[in-house]
Amino acid sequence: NAGVMQNPRHLVRRRGQEARLRCSPMKGHSHVYWYRQLPEEGLKFMVYLQKENIIDESGMPKERFSAEFPKEGPSILRIQQVVRGDSAAYFCASSPYESFYGYTFGSGTRLTVV
Amino acid sequence: RKEVEQDPGPFNVPEGATVAFNCTYSNSASQSFFWYRQDCRKEPKLLMSVYSSGNEDGRFTAQLNRASQYISLLIRDSKLSDSATYLCAVNPGTASKLTFGTGTRLQVTL
Repeated sequence: NAGVMQNPRHLVRRRGQEARLRCSPMKGHSHVYWYRQLPEEGLKFMVYLQKENIIDESGMPKERFSAEFPKEGPSILRIQQVVRGDSAAYFCASSPYESFYGYTFGSGTRLTVV
Repeated sequence: RKEVEQDPGPFNVPEGATVAFNCTYSNSASQSFFWYRQDCRKEPKLLMSVYSSGNEDGRFTAQLNRASQYISLLIRDSKLSDSATYLCAVNPGTASKLTFGTGTRLQVTL
């Protein structure tokens, strides 16, 4: 019973390139959440998705960032034209219900922008 | 005021000590509460849910004080392996997401 799978584990991008982060939720989980963690800072909520729907994107920067969770395949967090300030750990979490019961996190993608 | 606040620490305690962390939350309508543990450069892992009646799991005890709007985590007989950052998380009830505190760092020493 695989947990939440994120890939890649590490991603290096030059300024101006695109970053695509993938998240496959646990089997049976239909709720996906993306968080960003800057060095020495807490987890900041970005977006909450269910299959084919964005439920809450209140934490997502208005520009350059987008997320999707298609009917088939993993959830994707896409960052266009990356800047150095995008360097962070991006964690995906999933749950079978709304977050009342807590999340299970993936191991994260560490994005470094050079 | 932040939605969820924690003392960042670090808390440096000797092995065998008892240590307690508090976490305050601002939304009185919050419905569910959790403690997560995060090791350096790893993902957060759910440690305990926090119930109104309090709950205990081995050396760990979590409590909720709705009147004062805080949750606590008590660790008895600290082990070296307890060294980590402890994050509290709150679900405000109206939004299906968890808001995390910035974490309290614990360092258990010999």
